[in-house]
Amino acid sequence: EPEVTQTPSHQVTQMGQEVILRCVPISNHLYFYWYRQILGQKVEFLVSFYNNEISEKSEIFDDQFSVERPDGSNFTLKIRSTKLEDSAMYFCASSVISGQETQYFGPGTRLLVL
Amino acid sequence: SQQGEEDPQALSIQEGENATMNCSYKTSINNLQWYRQNSGRGLVHLILIRSNEREKHSGRLRVTLDTSKKSSSLLITASRAADTASYFCATDRARSGGYQKVTFGTGTKLQVIP
Repeated sequence: EPEVTQTPSHQVTQMGQEVILRCVPISNHLYFYWYRQILGQKVEFLVSFYNNEISEKSEIFDDQFSVERPDGSNFTLKIRSTKLEDSAMYFCASSVISGQETQYFGPGTRLLVL
Repeated sequence: SQQGEEDPQALSIQEGENATMNCSYKTSINNLQWYRQNSGRGLVHLILIRSNEREKHSGRLRVTLDTSKKSSSLLITASRAADTASYFCATDRARSGGYQKVTFGTGTKLQVIP
């Protein structure tokens, strides 16, 4: 069964460093999303992406964040200058189209900012 | 209360018993989904129920949706120790352009004691 994959599974970085989290959505999916979950808290929406542009972003998704689909398969989340509070599990998701379809989530990348 | 709140926050039952978790939400929705998350792991999609459906079954799972009360329930029958996890409801509303922002609840931590 097709699945969303994410790399790396874990990343440790120093505060102020840039990180890039990678995702490979399911191949026929057109909509892509990033969510994050701070330890012990709920899963929060960050951004949705369609047709090579951001469709919606939350207030969490500030100028330090960016997303890109650099090729036909990868979808990336970049954090330019990490802060301690960026430590969280980051989930990528994708869906075939929208509105009536399930979002399928990847296994997540656990980011720890020291 | 926030969009997507589950209760109880924690539930502990004996193996073989049924587990019922509830979710309430505030705004109108297209779909409601239930996800499962094992500790520190990714989100696994369990079941999607559309706003025009009232009940749905999948294996040992039974989901109901009452749009008049803005609530849903997830019933796991004949629970197993392996069902121990956190369970989240997630609601969406279609946006213009067709994509869906999914809002997660706070989750119910289910512990099934062997």
